[in-house]
Amino acid sequence: KNQVEQSPQSLIILEGKNCTLQCNYTVSPFSNLRWYKQDTGRGPVSLTIMTFSENTKSNGRYTATLDADTKQSSLHITASQLSDSASYICVVKAFTGGGNKLTFGTGTQLKVEL
Amino acid sequence: NAGVTQTPKFQVLKTGQSMTLQCAQDMNHEYMSWYRQDPGMGLRLIHYSVGAGITDQGEVPNGYNVSRSTTEDFPLRLLSAAPSQTSVYFCATNAGGMNTEAFFGQGTRLTVV
Repeated sequence: KNQVEQSPQSLIILEGKNCTLQCNYTVSPFSNLRWYKQDTGRGPVSLTIMTFSENTKSNGRYTATLDADTKQSSLHITASQLSDSASYICVVKAFTGGGNKLTFGTGTQLKVEL
Repeated sequence: NAGVTQTPKFQVLKTGQSMTLQCAQDMNHEYMSWYRQDPGMGLRLIHYSVGAGITDQGEVPNGYNVSRSTTEDFPLRLLSAAPSQTSVYFCATNAGGMNTEAFFGQGTRLTVV
């Protein structure tokens, strides 16, 4: 069964600090891995999409890494801001015959405090 | 552009009632999907469509119907609501292709009492 596990479940950091969120997956055959940011009461918003051949991808202060051999990914947030407080969801897509079948992690709830 | 628009944002139903959750997109995307999000669980796929006139079941389709008569609209119907359907529902769209970004609506919070 395809699964995506994220850690930690929740995290509190001070504004200006860095943090790293982890994602392990057992989705096969692998197509791509995505990180989404979901603000409270809103829909998820895409941060990055990485394919098998991509090791690192950045989007502003967000940098995602992918190790397809160990089936692990991380999302690093640099110089955190209060607006980074949100749930960060790791999503893995497998090759399928059609549709948009994604396997979602349960998310890491990040809170940035003053 | 509005992107993906879901209505209503909130709804309370009594057990056994029916209703339709609306989803409209102005991005001309082929793919549309419905997910539900429950506490402690990742989003789960209910139904999806790869184009007008084509729909298919996802991971948790029981109790839900969909249709896709136009590219723009993808309504989700609850025929006889049950408390187990209390959840937050998200509609998503993406263009064709394996590595295209998915765009989500704002969600509909549904409570069945």
